[in-house]
Amino acid sequence: GESVGLHLPTLSVQEGDNSIINCAYSNSASDYFIWYKQESGKGPQFIIDIRSNMDKRQGQRVTVLLNKTVKHLSLQIAATQPGDSAVYFCAETSSGGYNKLIFGAGTRLAVHP
Amino acid sequence: EAGVTQFPSHSVIEKGQTVTLRCDPISGHDNLYWYRRVMGKEIKFLLHFVKESKQDESGMPNNRFLAERTGGTYSTLKVQPAELEDSGVYFCASSQATGGTEAFFGQGTRLTVV
Repeated sequence: GESVGLHLPTLSVQEGDNSIINCAYSNSASDYFIWYKQESGKGPQFIIDIRSNMDKRQGQRVTVLLNKTVKHLSLQIAATQPGDSAVYFCAETSSGGYNKLIFGAGTRLAVHP
Repeated sequence: EAGVTQFPSHSVIEKGQTVTLRCDPISGHDNLYWYRRVMGKEIKFLLHFVKESKQDESGMPNNRFLAERTGGTYSTLKVQPAELEDSGVYFCASSQATGGTEAFFGQGTRLTVV
């Protein structure tokens, strides 16, 4: 399954499939990007980050891809599980750190058994 | 180790009343941030404390909002008087240092102004 950000705020996938969540960021000067997962009733939880001098970074079951040319960020989740169901936010900052995060609108991921 | 905690978890107040939200950051974290998400929109930055000093308050919407962090530990965010458009979820986050270190978020305070 794949989302194109604001146009498809909900992404539904089958358990075990790979998920791709997309995000278009706004500031070409941003040099640090983070993906957050927010479950119901909880605050945003850090998933993975990437700096602008990289175009790919992998974590456990997650991969973030950065395309600075078109200001696009994506989060890939391998073998999606029911526990991955949440709202996913991309965030950017141009301060070299977490001083002031600019969040995207979010994409809801619904995983079906 | 306790994470970032926020009180209350939910507050319902009438328009014109005052509400004070509290955030206890992770112990030892000098940086404390307030964010909010209103009307289902994206999460937006409000302000950033370094210890007790306001480093950046460019996101504060108007002078009805007052944030303090006396002593550089917990922080409060007061809304006085509250308006309907202030309804939303207010998040607090803290980090040990600036410059590429992870910020940990609290669970948020859901504010409903009626």
